[in-house]
Amino acid sequence: AQSVTQPDIHITVSEGASLELRCNYSYGATPYLFWYVQSPGQGLQLLLKYFSGDTLVQGIKGFEAEFKRSQSSFNLRKPSVHWSDAAEYFCAVGILTGGGNKLTFGTGTQLKVEL
Amino acid sequence: DAMVIQNPRYQVTQFGKPVTLSCSQTLNHNVMYWYQQKSSQAPKLLFHYYDKDFNNEADTPDNFQSRRPNTSFCFLDIRSPGLGDAAMYLCATSRDLDRERYFGPGTRLTVL
Repeated sequence: AQSVTQPDIHITVSEGASLELRCNYSYGATPYLFWYVQSPGQGLQLLLKYFSGDTLVQGIKGFEAEFKRSQSSFNLRKPSVHWSDAAEYFCAVGILTGGGNKLTFGTGTQLKVEL
Repeated sequence: DAMVIQNPRYQVTQFGKPVTLSCSQTLNHNVMYWYQQKSSQAPKLLFHYYDKDFNNEADTPDNFQSRRPNTSFCFLDIRSPGLGDAAMYLCATSRDLDRERYFGPGTRLTVL
């Protein structure tokens, strides 16, 4: 079964600083890859996705992520963090199975932004 | 704007009293999902509908049921809520099984 690891449970950065959130997955083939953001008491908003093609993916709110097959990673980056980026970030891996589809979430990274 | 709508946003019920949560979508997506998310945890898939076909996750308790009367609406029924069922319930949709999922704002369920 596939698994998703987000090694950082909490990250604190200063406003204006750069950000990188790590995501590693375990799966035999190339899965579909996603990053979602969740503000307190809200649903999940899709930041970006990777299905195939260019391994550097641009998303909303100035975020980007890079798929590195050799490292089984899909890290999320932003060059300059804004206070409004404080939220929880989930990496997710999707694969198609014979019985349907499976989307596995990481445990999330809580981002705190210091002013 | 096309979107996923959940009602109510907050629901309080009593232990053992049946409750129904509602989800509607204007995206005309084929697939609708229900997730349970407890505090500081990742969302956990309960079940999904592909069109009218219902797919239950193996570890979803029988206490949880779902209905999809048409493309736009999907309901989550909790027949006898226990204290452990207090959580955020998220509805999501996707155009197809291998496409990205769009989530609603969630319903926060409290069980007294």
